[in-house]
Amino acid sequence: AQTVTQSQPEMSVQEAETVTLSCTYDTSESDYYLFWYKQPPSRQMILVIRQEAYKQQNATENRFSVNFQKAAKSFSLKISDSQLGDAAMYFCAYSSMEYGNKLVFGAGTILRVKS
Amino acid sequence: SAVISQKPSRDICQRGTSLTIQCQVDSQVTMMFWYRQQPGQSLTLIATANQGSEATYESGFVIDKFPISRPNLTFSTLTVSNMSPEDSSIYLCSVGPEAYEQYFGPGTRLTVT
Repeated sequence: AQTVTQSQPEMSVQEAETVTLSCTYDTSESDYYLFWYKQPPSRQMILVIRQEAYKQQNATENRFSVNFQKAAKSFSLKISDSQLGDAAMYFCAYSSMEYGNKLVFGAGTILRVKS
Repeated sequence: SAVISQKPSRDICQRGTSLTIQCQVDSQVTMMFWYRQQPGQSLTLIATANQGSEATYESGFVIDKFPISRPNLTFSTLTVSNMSPEDSSIYLCSVGPEAYEQYFGPGTRLTVT
């Protein structure tokens, strides 16, 4: 079964600094997708970034980038120039067509941004 | 992309009663999912809502407790039956037209007293 592990329950970062959130996963599939979602107090799930397993190049979206290590099954999120609006719960998630397009979520990491 | 709406956005219910949550998508999609998020926890998949057939439930979730309807390709309902305080959660509807495309509704915050 596919599993996703986030080992950092909570992280803090100073405004304008850089923070990295960790995620590891386990799967026997070769074709899959990995996501980072942000959930602010409004509870809306917001897609931050997505990575296709077959792509070696790490995905980037403005201040957000990932470090995808397929062999190590690691998928960390780096947030550069952190802003107060980045404060939220962040979830790492896994999906694959073989698994029926369902999402498997990690436990989440609360990110606090200090001014 | 897909835009998803949910009704109600929140509700407070008495134990022993039932609540039906509606999920409406602005386009036809094959795969619709219902997730539960207990307070301070991650999202857990309840079931996959299949159009024209019974929903497929994940381990730990049963149809008698969480009956699901999927009358067409743009609409689904989730009922939380015979509620107890342990059912207090956020319930989210999502669609996954492709494994790399996942969209979420705004969620329904349920409090059971």
